[in-house]
Amino acid sequence: DTGVSQDPRHKITKRGQNVTFRCDPISEHNRLYWYRQTLGQGPEFLTYFQNEAQLEKSRLLSDRFSAERPKGSFSTLEIQRTEQGDSAMYLCASSEPGLSTGELFFGEGSRLTVL
Amino acid sequence: SQQGEEDPQALSIQEGENATMNCSYKTSINNLQWYRQNSGRGLVHLILIRSNEREKHSGRLRVTLDTSKKSSSLLITASRAADTASYFCATDAYGNKLVFGAGTILRVKS
Repeated sequence: DTGVSQDPRHKITKRGQNVTFRCDPISEHNRLYWYRQTLGQGPEFLTYFQNEAQLEKSRLLSDRFSAERPKGSFSTLEIQRTEQGDSAMYLCASSEPGLSTGELFFGEGSRLTVL
Repeated sequence: SQQGEEDPQALSIQEGENATMNCSYKTSINNLQWYRQNSGRGLVHLILIRSNEREKHSGRLRVTLDTSKKSSSLLITASRAADTASYFCATDAYGNKLVFGAGTILRVKS
């Protein structure tokens, strides 16, 4: 296993279109996270899965955003009716189970540009 | 709002010099972590320090943690041009997720 992979790496879309990003975590990691990062800022937490259960969602995650992790393996993040403010880097990370949050392994990100 | 705040926002040094970045946070933590991000790439974990530890070393990196002041520092010794990147601290103060600061942009001039 070579790490966390994300697809696509870049996506340009028109306002109002739907987009979907995929994340394949490290296979033995049961925790999976989505973050959003805009230019000059640190990553902002969006949502977190433990296995297939979505345990936490940020208030940043509006109704237009939905994330899934069927069967506790890969995850998808869908943004419906995209807006220009959705333009950002969407980062996926995974980690091993534990009592506290340990090291996160990040993918290279999916950069979204909404025109 | 973000839990961690890094200082300075940007730092420019000559190759061979040491670089020090600071991080302050607001609430109790189990651990604090430092990550590095090259432009346009994902984040890479550098070091984790637990709340009961005061100092930790990894290669040219030295991290300190002062829980009474709710602050941490990252020291990179003998910097190289390849150390040019953004550096973020992150804490687990709010449950099973990491909350990141806005980062310090480090530029090492050769």
